[in-house]
Amino acid sequence: GAVVSQHPSWVICKSGTSVKIECRSLDFQATTMFWYRQFPKQSLMLMATSNEGSKATYEQGVEKDKFLINHASLTLSTLTVTSAHPEDSSFYICSARAGTEAYEQYFGPGTRLTVT
Amino acid sequence: DAKTTQPPSMDCAEGRAANLPCNHSTISGNEYVYWYRQIHSQGPQYIIHGLKNNETNEMASLIITEDRKSSTLILPHATLRDTAVYYCIVRVYSGNTPLVFGKGTRLSVIA
Repeated sequence: GAVVSQHPSWVICKSGTSVKIECRSLDFQATTMFWYRQFPKQSLMLMATSNEGSKATYEQGVEKDKFLINHASLTLSTLTVTSAHPEDSSFYICSARAGTEAYEQYFGPGTRLTVT
Repeated sequence: DAKTTQPPSMDCAEGRAANLPCNHSTISGNEYVYWYRQIHSQGPQYIIHGLKNNETNEMASLIITEDRKSSTLILPHATLRDTAVYYCIVRVYSGNTPLVFGKGTRLSVIA
């Protein structure tokens, strides 16, 4: 199956700093990538959808100026959490679409962000 | 709005079949039923999908009722490694809309 990687797998940062999370599709080109956030004991919440070469589409309630998404190539999308606060601590999961069928949306292993 | 309803948690003895139910009474004719699972602190993993016929693969079987308003995911011989949160999702087969996750069922396989 298609492989999606994320880096780093975990990160600790101080409040007020920014942190960047990378998402890569390793063996396929992904025209569309998605970013999800998951708080402890909760389900995945879709944050945004990004298409290569265009601006991301954010879900209602997600601050686009705080969560910067860049999808500059068909294999790489980045999520930058700017001016992080402790409430941004969460598990961030990216997903990449390998084709048009729904089951062809593959997920990365996730990045755990802790803001102190 | 939740399109599926699942029990919050279930237990299953190791080696026995795990039957996870899902209600999707408002499913549309062009929507499929998808099952994913998420093992603790990992990304979701695709299991199986179907439209109206029963489906089986190396991981599980999917039984969809004739009226398509509910389905059951069956893990025939559950192991401890099957302990995870299982998500039932309805979605059209193709297109660019993302997968939207509900609350899922937390399955605990007990030795």
